[in-house]
Amino acid sequence: GAVVSQHPSRVICKSGTSVKIECRSLDFQATTMFWYRQFPKQSLMLMATSNEGSKATYEQGVEKDKFLINHASLTLSTLTVTSAHPEDSSFYICSATGGSNQPQHFGDGTRLSIL
Amino acid sequence: GNSVTQMEGPVTLSEEAFLTINCTYTATGYPSLFWYVQYPGEGLQLLLKATKADDKGSNKGFEATYRKETTSFHLEKGSVQVSDSAVYFCALPLSYNTDKLIFGTGTRLQVFP
Repeated sequence: GAVVSQHPSRVICKSGTSVKIECRSLDFQATTMFWYRQFPKQSLMLMATSNEGSKATYEQGVEKDKFLINHASLTLSTLTVTSAHPEDSSFYICSATGGSNQPQHFGDGTRLSIL
Repeated sequence: GNSVTQMEGPVTLSEEAFLTINCTYTATGYPSLFWYVQYPGEGLQLLLKATKADDKGSNKGFEATYRKETTSFHLEKGSVQVSDSAVYFCALPLSYNTDKLIFGTGTRLQVFP
């Protein structure tokens, strides 16, 4: 149980393109979803927290106009990297939790490469 | 907020060796504690957790005990396998009454046959 599906697993695209990443909880309702960014050989950096039906809460230093988050339902959140540039290249990981004090369940991540 | 300190890697072991990865934390109250594992090119998987003091989390031969006296949650395994090679993250809630997690820096484990 508690499966989170993240799609796509890898994206390679040109600079200036907008890229959408989907995060789905397959067998539970996710009250909260989180988006992380991970640089090579480093820990996870929380970018934003999203709750279904409300605006995402962004961590300090994360550009909300650059990283658009939509949490349209209890099983789907999307992260759109707008007008991506090479410095946005990274590994993006989503997670979902079914409620307070519940563990986070992670997707397999999306490796984004901007040429 | 809470904080977590995790031993640096890489940890290099031969198959069947004993593993310890240290994790200590500072926290208000007694939050749940977690170990996550990340295999190459993948997201994180919850390995085990403990929700209160003296609890022992266990899974796949890994164990960790929630020790409030030493504010530690060290990960152990009696006999590692090559397939255990991965990066291990200790984690706990960022602060009281939040679902946000704070992660340790991660410890890379390399097991050789």
